[in-house]
Formats: sequence, structure tokens, C-alpha cells
Amino acid sequence: SVLLYQKPNRDICQSGTSLKIQCVADSQVVSMFWYQQFQEQSLMLMATANEGSEATYESGFTKDKFPISRPNLTFSTLTVNNARPGDSSIYFCSSKTGGTNTGQLYFGEGSKLTVL
Amino acid sequence: GDQVEQSPSALSLHEGTGSALRCNFTTTMRAVQWFRKNSRGSLINLFYLASGTKENGRLKSAFDSKERYSTLHIRDAQLEDSGTYFCAAEANNAGAKLTFGGGTRLTVRP
Repeated sequence: SVLLYQKPNRDICQSGTSLKIQCVADSQVVSMFWYQQFQEQSLMLMATANEGSEATYESGFTKDKFPISRPNLTFSTLTVNNARPGDSSIYFCSSKTGGTNTGQLYFGEGSKLTVL
Repeated sequence: GDQVEQSPSALSLHEGTGSALRCNFTTTMRAVQWFRKNSRGSLINLFYLASGTKENGRLKSAFDSKERYSTLHIRDAQLEDSGTYFCAAEANNAGAKLTFGGGTRLTVRP
């Protein structure tokens, strides 16, 4: 398994500001995935981040709005730019174990963002 | 796109009883995971299946890729089982991407 630690666990910010969420894995992983979950709804994959390359974004999510960094095999950040109340949700990072992208997915504890 | 239809959306059980959750898939999936979201909001891994069935305590899950469904059975429900349960599946051509069901909010009552 892999343990993923997210920071902050929750935050409140004003509209128009930016917020950065960090994710640290306890071991090296190939890909890190960022998911968004609105209140009690399904989780949606936002993007896939591999070390040293630009993240791949799913439909509805863009690099300008949600820039993601992946500087090494244990770390990733997700930034929410120009935050709006509609961005209020829980953001999860996730990854699979070891050096492959097979097997089960593990999730961090989530970062709950509230935009006023 | 790939769809995962989870049912029921809400379920109420008395302690000691059981029931089943189900996810139907609109396409062939190569693996399914089941999670429970606890009161702190964390996603707890329950099962990962590429085929067949798995059992862990009072939980049992089955996955039939050909018939495009997965189930999660809960027996002898306890108060601490309350929470929201999600299935999530990987399509054959989707790399490591998981598509989540809409969730089942389970309430276990004394």
C-alpha cells in the first residue's frame, strides 16, 4: 500500500485568491491523480501527474485554473487559481503502489476547500 | 463516456441485518474498487477485485466483468458501518483512471 498525506486538510479562502494543496507519498509512485468531490457526490478525476512532465487534464479541468506540479516521485501540488465559490469541494490526491500503474488506488485524506 | 451506476443511493439498516449494494457498468471494466468514506471524510479501501469474490469480515464483494456489475454485501450491520460507500471501476482502455459511482449513504440504526 501507499500512504498519502495532504496539507491543508481544510481551508477557507476569499474569491479571487489562489490556494495550494500539497500531497506527499510515503514511497515513490509513478503517477499521482487528483480528484474533486462536491458535497456527497461522486469523485471526478481532474488530472494525472507524472514526474517531470506536464499533467494530463480531464475534460472540464484546465492547467490555467488548476496548475499541478510533480517535481519528484513522492510529491505533488495542486493549485486552485482565482478561486470561486463553485470551487468549494474536497480535493483528493491518489496513487497506486510501487513502480507501476496497476493494482488498487489509494487516497489521501482530502483537502476541503471553502471559497467565500 | 464510461458510466458507473450505483444503487441504492441511500440505505437504512437496523443493527444486525444486512443488505447489498450494486454497481452496474456501461462498458467492460477490468477492475473494481469499493471504498467507505468515514466521518472524517477519508476514503477507506474496502476491496480491490479484478474478478471473482473477496470477503473480509462482515463484508463480501463480487465482480463480474462480463456481466458488467459488482456487488458489496454487508451482513450483521453495526452502527460503525454507517457512512457513504462508493464503487469505482477501471475501464480496459482508461489507463489508471477510476470512474466512481454516485455513492450509497448507509445509515445503521439501533
